[in-house]
Amino acid sequence: NAGVTQTPKFQVLKTGQSMTLQCAQDMNHEYMSWYRQDPGMGLRLIHYSVGAGITDQGEVPNGYNVSRSTTEDFPLRLLSAAPSQTSVYFCASTKGGLYGYTFGSGTRLTVV
Amino acid sequence: AQKVTQAQTEISVVEKEDVTLDCVYETRDTTYYLFWYKQPPSGELVFLIRRNSFDEQNEISGRYSWNFQKSTSSFNFTITASQVVDSAVYFCALTVADRGSTLGRLYFGRGTQLTVWP
Repeated sequence: NAGVTQTPKFQVLKTGQSMTLQCAQDMNHEYMSWYRQDPGMGLRLIHYSVGAGITDQGEVPNGYNVSRSTTEDFPLRLLSAAPSQTSVYFCASTKGGLYGYTFGSGTRLTVV
Repeated sequence: AQKVTQAQTEISVVEKEDVTLDCVYETRDTTYYLFWYKQPPSGELVFLIRRNSFDEQNEISGRYSWNFQKSTSSFNFTITASQVVDSAVYFCALTVADRGSTLGRLYFGRGTQLTVWP
């Protein structure tokens, strides 16, 4: 099993550019989520999804969009990148808290 | 609302010392799960343990042990005879299961940077 696959692993953007961080899982997990990790802040929830077609905001949603058209994919879109979005992004999926969470390997994004 | 507090930002020890990482959580839900993750310098998140709110038994796995106490809302992690390879950031996290809309959300503490010196 591939688990949770995130692409790309590294990305440099210019302020104002747009891009999509990809996240795919092959475990048929209902729940998927995006986190950002900043020094000293731990991981903070950006958006999450409880199933295909259903998404909701987390703790720090501003500047990000998501959609969940299939169970497998949960892309994160930055419409107009800002330096404040420089961070490490993790995607995670789970069948439910009882079963634990599977994390992707992360995307390190730098916005200049 | 859910909250996880890791008051220790950084800890430094010398190899073979024992070290305890503290985690205090807040939730009004009666069914919840607690986790510890390790993040080595390579950056990936490594799952260490999951504990549900109905199981207060302590757990030991090799040099690692966990002390879960509902009375103090704490889920502390002890490394016995620490090694240089234990150097990493350690995160405590919480998820709740009483409401479908919150299921699947992990609440993380800010992490504790552990450095083990040879």
